[in-house]
Amino acid sequence: DAGVTQSPTHLIKTRGQQVTLRCSPKSGHDTVSWYQQALGQGPQFIFQYYEEEERQRGNFPDRFSGHQFPNYSSELNVNALLLGDSALYLCASRSSRILVAYEQYFGPGTRLTVT
Amino acid sequence: GDSVTQMEGPVTLSEEAFLTINCTYTATGYPSLFWYVQYPGEGLQLLLKATKADDKGSNKGFEATYRKETTSFHLEKGSVQVSDSAVYFCALYSSASKIIFGSGTRLSIRP
Repeated sequence: DAGVTQSPTHLIKTRGQQVTLRCSPKSGHDTVSWYQQALGQGPQFIFQYYEEEERQRGNFPDRFSGHQFPNYSSELNVNALLLGDSALYLCASRSSRILVAYEQYFGPGTRLTVT
Repeated sequence: GDSVTQMEGPVTLSEEAFLTINCTYTATGYPSLFWYVQYPGEGLQLLLKATKADDKGSNKGFEATYRKETTSFHLEKGSVQVSDSAVYFCALYSSASKIIFGSGTRLSIRP
């Protein structure tokens, strides 16, 4: 049973560019959350997707957007990249059918470097 | 809003030493509390959890007790090993349905 997978593993972009990160949830999971982990910091919640809609959002600008597909996979898009967007981006998935809502599984992350 | 404050690192100990990493929280209501571990080059793994006051979470020799009166969830291990070297994050599941993490504590164990 594959866990949460993310692609790519590493990415280097230039300021002002746009980037798309991808996440496939663990089998049987239908809810995906994205987190940003800056170097030396704890992960910060960006947003959560369920039934192809954004359900919760953290304190991130509109440059950060997402999408969820019918197969529950998800994309994180960041426009007009800033140096400060350099971070490890983590995807976490869970099942809405499990009442224990904190039971989330994290992927290995995508390391984004903005130069 | 909800927040987690944990002991700053890095923490360096000798093998078989006793470990404590302090964690306190601020939250509305009674959140579930967690410790996550991040080994070098790997993703976050849930180490242990406690869902109500006085619960003790335990795993791999690590323990933490949910103390409502002091709003704390300190991580302890009686005898650390080199393989325990990692970054440890204290976290809570907030009323807004998201996980809030502390800033992490890097632990290094000397042989």
